[in-house]
Amino acid sequence: DTAVSQTPKYLVTQMGNDKSIKCEQNLGHDTMYWYKQDSKKFLKIMFSYNNKELIINETVPNRFSPKSPDKAHLNLHINSLELGDSAVYFCASSQTAYSRSSSYNSPLHFGNGTRLTVT
Amino acid sequence: TQLLEQSPQFLSIQEGENLTVYCNSSSVFSSLQWYRQEPGEGPVLLVTVVTGGEVKKLKRLTFQFGDARKDSSLHITAAQPGDTGLYLCSPRTGTYKYIFGTGTRLKVLA
Repeated sequence: DTAVSQTPKYLVTQMGNDKSIKCEQNLGHDTMYWYKQDSKKFLKIMFSYNNKELIINETVPNRFSPKSPDKAHLNLHINSLELGDSAVYFCASSQTAYSRSSSYNSPLHFGNGTRLTVT
Repeated sequence: TQLLEQSPQFLSIQEGENLTVYCNSSSVFSSLQWYRQEPGEGPVLLVTVVTGGEVKKLKRLTFQFGDARKDSSLHITAAQPGDTGLYLCSPRTGTYKYIFGTGTRLKVLA
């Protein structure tokens, strides 16, 4: 099936540890994103990558380091985990479309999330 | 930081009732999307509205984009338990960046 898949689905770890979340999309999209959803369900953009290049970094602490080895993958590594990092992290993708005067992205396709719990 | 307020924040209704949820901002947007998120899953696109005043229907769901393109509403007729979920509005703010509203959590009781 064509989809955005992320692993693991659940991640429980202790403060101070380092962990990674992986994301892959087989939709052929050129842009990938990481979003964080807090306990109040507010969905906030963290990063976006277009063709493996970082485009948006929404003032995320540098303990978070995204890596895009190719257009189909965007992984998220988190160092020195803190209690406040507990949340659901969503990967998403979209395709850039270009008109004569501008560009825009197609709607987002989301993965099913990774629930990170830091104890 | 652009603020997108959705109201109500929570809504619990009986099956068969009608409801409307709102998405409001002080900014003008070129287009706006509505997503629904079910528990344990990522948001899924329902519709995109582009033109001021535009109305789109998706079965029992009716979406409207405000004339000034600053707000939008979603009306559900004869709600069903399958409509339960978190409804999120998301305007296009620029290439490579989608922001989301504060969300409306809907629960439809059988």
